[in-house]
Amino acid sequence: EPEVTQTPSHQVTQMGQEVILRCVPISNHLYFYWYRQILGQKVEFLVSFYNNEISEKSEIFDDQFSVERPDGSNFTLKIRSTKLEDSAMYFCASLQSTDTQYFGPGTRLTVL
Amino acid sequence: GDSVTQMEGPVTLSEEAFLTINCTYTATGYPSLFWYVQYPGEGLQLLLKATKADDKGSNKGFEATYRKETTSFHLEKGSVQVSDSAVYFCALTRSGAGSYQLTFGKGTKLSVIP
Repeated sequence: EPEVTQTPSHQVTQMGQEVILRCVPISNHLYFYWYRQILGQKVEFLVSFYNNEISEKSEIFDDQFSVERPDGSNFTLKIRSTKLEDSAMYFCASLQSTDTQYFGPGTRLTVL
Repeated sequence: GDSVTQMEGPVTLSEEAFLTINCTYTATGYPSLFWYVQYPGEGLQLLLKATKADDKGSNKGFEATYRKETTSFHLEKGSVQVSDSAVYFCALTRSGAGSYQLTFGKGTKLSVIP
């Protein structure tokens, strides 16, 4: 069964450094998403991406964040200058054309 | 804005016990409702869903009924197993929302002991 994959599973970085989290969505899906979950808190929507552009973003998704689909298979989330409060689990998801999103296993980001 | 409230965990049950995890929502319009499950070390998996009032979603012995009058979508299972130990998330997406983004509850950790 097709699945969403994410790399790395755990990323440790120093405050102020740039990080790129990678996702490979399911191949025939059209919508792509990033969510995050700070430890002990809700899973929060960050951004959705459709037809090679951002379709919606939350207040969390400020100028420090960007997304790309560079090659038709990968979907990346970049954080330009990480802060301590960016430490969280980041989930990628994809959707074909109905309302069921399929999630990856997540990347745990730790900012020191 | 949209919101989902689910019961605080953790919940610890003995094998074969009855499970209820409460979920209520606030949303404009007619949202679709979901339960996702996260097993240890894995991603979020769709457990069941319901897209309109009075629909019942069911899967793997779990079920939940979309109750518009009480804005609820409580998860139930008649007899839990150790393998059901996981974190359960209630979520919604608004119909016609365009991007179909999900709004999640905080999650309820279930531990089932033999």
